[in-house]
Amino acid sequence: RKEVEQDPGPFNVPEGATVAFNCTYSNSASQSFFWYRQDCRKEPKLLMSVYSSGNEDGRFTAQLNRASQYISLLIRDSKLSDSATYLCVVNGGATNKLIFGTGTLLAVQP
Amino acid sequence: EPEVTQTPSHQVTQMGQEVILRCVPISNHLYFYWYRQILGQKVEFLVSFYNNEISEKSEIFDDQFSVERPDGSNFTLKIRSTKLEDSAMYFCASRSGTPAETQYFGPGTRLLVL
Repeated sequence: RKEVEQDPGPFNVPEGATVAFNCTYSNSASQSFFWYRQDCRKEPKLLMSVYSSGNEDGRFTAQLNRASQYISLLIRDSKLSDSATYLCVVNGGATNKLIFGTGTLLAVQP
Repeated sequence: EPEVTQTPSHQVTQMGQEVILRCVPISNHLYFYWYRQILGQKVEFLVSFYNNEISEKSEIFDDQFSVERPDGSNFTLKIRSTKLEDSAMYFCASRSGTPAETQYFGPGTRLLVL
């Protein structure tokens, strides 16, 4: 089983749509979880951390289910500028190295 | 806002040559990382560095790779004898100290080995 698994997409959605991304991770001992955003040929940038209680930042909502080892990201009212690859990331081990999923490509259409 | 910087942005080299990729982490950060991303693939961890020594390295980080913090600001990744498969984007990252603290990534160096 891959350490972090995501549907690669692409997800093609119209502006204003709600879109959800899912991710599973294999190491039940993982403690920290993140969604990063990566634009084409750019560095990953933190979108939001993911907490057990769920957290929201504007149009973005992240959820964590530790029992199922499942992480989700919901984007409401999609904008053209949301087009990017969304990376599910898990903190792995004592050195806090980051373990990345392959990413899910989102294309928001006008 | 403080940021991680990396130089050069692009590097083209011949197979077998040595390359040094440079990073300047955020100034009060204590933990440093190198990651790489082969075109079309996921970001992969290479090495972590703390207190002037490697704290963890991946299987990718073999004897051809080394890291150094030669002074108080720079953090370098050296590839001694480059191979074609070393062609990738190399990202440096740093974080301040608490375990859940965000890692901030530099803009990357695109390495092409011919």
